[in-house]
Amino acid sequence: AQSVTQLDSQVPVFEEAPVELRCNYSSSVSVYLFWYVQYPNQGLQLLLKYLSGSTLVKGINGFEAEFNKSQTSFHLRKPSVHISDTAEYFCAVSVRGNTGKLIFGQGTTLQVKP
Amino acid sequence: DVKVTQSSRYLVKRTGEKVFLECVQDMDHENMFWYRQDPGLGLRLIYFSYDVKMKEKGDIPEGYSVSREKKERFSLILESASTNQTSMYLCASSPPTGYQETQYFGPGTRLLVL
Repeated sequence: AQSVTQLDSQVPVFEEAPVELRCNYSSSVSVYLFWYVQYPNQGLQLLLKYLSGSTLVKGINGFEAEFNKSQTSFHLRKPSVHISDTAEYFCAVSVRGNTGKLIFGQGTTLQVKP
Repeated sequence: DVKVTQSSRYLVKRTGEKVFLECVQDMDHENMFWYRQDPGLGLRLIYFSYDVKMKEKGDIPEGYSVSREKKERFSLILESASTNQTSMYLCASSPPTGYQETQYFGPGTRLLVL
């Protein structure tokens, strides 16, 4: 079975500061990794995903994530955050052969302060 | 532009009522999903469907059923609503090779059961 752990439930940060949201996963088989963002009162939308190839993945809105197989991590980073990045962020995994079932982490609320 | 719509943004029901949550997607996707989102628990899969009239249980199917009579529509049914089903419900869809595909989410239905 697979599981996903997001290590921080809330991350407060000042505007223009860098941020890292941490995600670790557990799986005995190869997984595909996703980060989704949920802005207030909206559904989730994809930020980025890792399927194969380069372990550094770039997504929308200046976010990037690095897949680290040895540490089973997929941390999300942004070098300089904006107020508009305030949202909840979810890390998720899927497994080859499954019909798209995603297993989500608990979510991390990013609070960007002026 | 891809679109997943949910019939209601907010819903208030009484304990014991039968509740229908509707989801419609316009992307001709084979896969559709129902999740519930609770603080600190992330998203948990209730049911999913990979074709018309096909359904599979997710991680928390108890107290719920689903219906998929047409490809674009996936309904979640609470046979007898209970207070512990108060939650945010999110619908999503994806193409058939689901494990590497982006899921597209609706805006969610916030259900309060009194």
